Order: sequence, then C-alpha cells, then structure tokens
Amino acid sequence: NAGVMQNPRHLVRRRGQEARLRCSPMKGHSHVYWYRQLPEEGLKFMVYLQKENIIDESGMPKERFSAEFPKEGPSILRIQQVVRGDSAAYFCASSLDSLYGYTFGSGTRLTVV
Amino acid sequence: SQQGEEDPQALSIQEGENATMNCSYKTSINNLQWYRQNSGRGLVHLILIRSNEREKHSGRLRVTLDTSKKSSSLLITASRAADTASYFCATDAGAGGTSYGKLTFGQGTILTVHP
Repeated sequence: NAGVMQNPRHLVRRRGQEARLRCSPMKGHSHVYWYRQLPEEGLKFMVYLQKENIIDESGMPKERFSAEFPKEGPSILRIQQVVRGDSAAYFCASSLDSLYGYTFGSGTRLTVV
Repeated sequence: SQQGEEDPQALSIQEGENATMNCSYKTSINNLQWYRQNSGRGLVHLILIRSNEREKHSGRLRVTLDTSKKSSSLLITASRAADTASYFCATDAGAGGTSYGKLTFGQGTILTVHP
C-alpha cells in the first residue's frame, strides 16, 4: 500500500496561472480532505470530499479555489489565477473511518512567483 | 486563542530526557489526535484519544486528555535525536455527534532533541 500519494511534490507557478494539485487516497479510502499550511503555521482545513461529493467546503476561499473527487481517478485541488498569498504547502489526507485517524500525504509545496 | 493551541511553542532537551507538550482547545470534541511533522515533510499520525478516554499509551508516547479542562498532553519518554520534529495536536469536533474528519490543528510545538 503506497499510502496517500500527492503530486507534484513541488510546483512553481507565476502569478495568474493555474495550479492543479493531485491526491490519490490510500487504497480503500473514500474520504479525502485537503489542508493548507502556511509557513510557520499549523494546518488549516479546506475541504472534505467523498466520491463525487463535496461534503464540507467551509475552509475553501470563496473564489479561485475548487476541489473534486471523481468516481475514477485522484482528487484534484485547483487554484485559478494564483497569487503570491497562495504559496503554501497543501496536504491531502484520506480515511477509511475516523476511528483510526487519518493518513496524510507528503504534500505539494506551491510557490507563486 | 485558537482551537488546538500547543504549549510550549518550542522545546529543547537532551537525549534521554522526557518531553511534554500541551494542547488546549475550546469546543467539545469527539477525539483528539497528535501528529508529528519532520521539517518540510508530511504529517505522521501518532495517536488518537477519544473523548471518553483519559489516557493512552503507544510505545514511548503517553497521551492524556482532560475534557473538563479541554486540554491534552503528549509525553515522549527517553527522547532520541530522531524525535526532533514539530508536533501538532488536532481536534475532531465531529458533525451530528460522530467523528467527521474535519480536524482543527494547533500551531505546533517544535521539539529539538540534542544528542
């Protein structure tokens, strides 16, 4: 079991470009969560998805950010028209159920230049 | 203050000593979890303690939970240089009384263990 796989590990985008971050959950996990970690801070919840459904997107910025978890394939976090303030580490986690905690990926470090 | 605040912000000890980190939170929770993060890496789940539990052990880790004080502590005994990392507590407040997966993290404690 390869764990939660995120790619790319590092992503550099110029202001105004789009960033696409991918997350493949652990085998058998159907719950996916995205978190953002700004420098020197803890993780902040962004969105919780199950297959083809957004369950809770209360942590997502209202504009430019979207997430999906299609029936087939990885979960995608999409950031349109990136700005310097979007520079952060974005982590994905998956779970089978919450009794055993969550498995986090290694994150994607987005740098906007 | 935020949900899931750790104390101290930074802790520096010698190998072999014990390290204690504290976490306070504000709302009712279903469970509280501790994670470790090595510099520039992802999070590793260490231990989960449910709201009806008071203490839990896993190897050199001991976690306590006091729901009346809304606080938890993580004790690492006989620390090693390899324990150097940031440690985060995270609370799962749940939805409808069941665990939900929406974790609220504190800002972490940076632990440095000197050889």
